[in-house]
Amino acid sequence: DGGITQSPKYLFRKEGQNVTLSCEQNLNHDAMYWYRQDPGQGLRLIYYSQIVNDFQKGDIAEGYSVSREKKESFPLTVTSAQKNPTAFYLCASSIAQGKASGRGSYNEQFFGPGTRLTVL
Amino acid sequence: GDSVTQMEGPVTLSEEAFLTINCTYTATGYPSLFWYVQYPGEGLQLLLKATKADDKGSNKGFEATYRKETTSFHLEKGSVQVSDSAVYFCALRYNFGNEKLTFGTGTRLTIIP
Repeated sequence: DGGITQSPKYLFRKEGQNVTLSCEQNLNHDAMYWYRQDPGQGLRLIYYSQIVNDFQKGDIAEGYSVSREKKESFPLTVTSAQKNPTAFYLCASSIAQGKASGRGSYNEQFFGPGTRLTVL
Repeated sequence: GDSVTQMEGPVTLSEEAFLTINCTYTATGYPSLFWYVQYPGEGLQLLLKATKADDKGSNKGFEATYRKETTSFHLEKGSVQVSDSAVYFCALRYNFGNEKLTFGTGTRLTIIP
């Protein structure tokens, strides 16, 4: 079955350590996204990538880094510079803009199950 | 900038009750509107969408109508079930240009038998 996988489901790290969250998709989607979810807040976009080897900052990119070396993979590194890293992280993917069938309307973003990161 | 405002939660209803979750938006252009649902411990799933004014999105008994005049996209269901307990997010996105989804804060819904 096609889908998005995120690993691990739960992650614990000591303060000051970098940590990398995995996101893999086998949907053949060009675009991938990372969101952060905090209690009482909506999802906020960290980074997104529309094609391999290219990515753009979202609304809250500070303290995070990404890479997009393969179409299927979009790992997120939470660095020690991120002041409040404890959160639920969601990865998503979609067909890139302009490739949708029909009138080019919305390309649904499919979400992974998320990784809950706790920094001790 | 663009923003989405949802009614404060949590919302608790009895089974078979009528549900309304309010959502209003502020946008500079003409976005598409969405409702996503997040079941406990899971990622988000698209529940329904509407791409232009007066469109009605519907799925699994839920409905929402894109009201440009009131900049609203309220979610409704005539008879809720325990299995509808989840967090519901309203969101907007433009059809061209930036791929970004702008989310509301989410509304936690609990249905009691």
